[in-house]
Amino acid sequence: NAGVTQTPKFRVLKTGQSMTLLCAQDMNHEYMYWYRQDPGMGLRLIHYSVGEGTTAKGEVPDGYNVSRLKKQNFLLGLESAAPSQTSVYFCASTLQEGPEAFFGQGTRLTVV
Amino acid sequence: ELKVEQNPLFLSMQEGKNYTIYCNYSTTSDRLYWYRQDPGKSLESLFVLLSNGAVKQEGRLMASLDTKARLSTLHITAAVHDLSATYFCAVDRDDKIIFGKGTRLHILP
Repeated sequence: NAGVTQTPKFRVLKTGQSMTLLCAQDMNHEYMYWYRQDPGMGLRLIHYSVGEGTTAKGEVPDGYNVSRLKKQNFLLGLESAAPSQTSVYFCASTLQEGPEAFFGQGTRLTVV
Repeated sequence: ELKVEQNPLFLSMQEGKNYTIYCNYSTTSDRLYWYRQDPGKSLESLFVLLSNGAVKQEGRLMASLDTKARLSTLHITAAVHDLSATYFCAVDRDDKIIFGKGTRLHILP
């Protein structure tokens, strides 16, 4: 049972480049989330999804887009990367009724 | 807008001592989580608290929830070095899970 898998684990981008982070879960969870973690800031919610074909904005959505075409996958896109998007990105998933959210191993992204 | 505040943000304590981390939140919640994170690692679920008065214990850690006060506590009993980590509380409301900034716990031998 793989749980929540994030791809890639590390990436370096140049300013202005684009990329997509993939989150895949094999637990048949309805809810999926993307967070970014910066020192001293905790985890901040970027976007989330409550089911296939749905997405919604979180606390810090600007500069990111998401898609949930399949229930098991939640994609996070950066169209034009900026140094301010250097961060560790975590994906999480949960059932609608909980009880807990499971996290992926994280993606460390550096934008130079 | 849901706000989650933890305090303290940093705690250095001696082995064998007791201490409490506090988590306040601004609106009613569906459930409250406590997570642990080791440096460079992902988040590990510790507790999920669902109702007022809920108390859960695992080893030297005990979490409680007071929904009327919008307060959860994570109590550490007789701390040991292995508990050194960052602890996060998070609140689930309206389909969103919002995190506090975390408490970095450093336990000195």
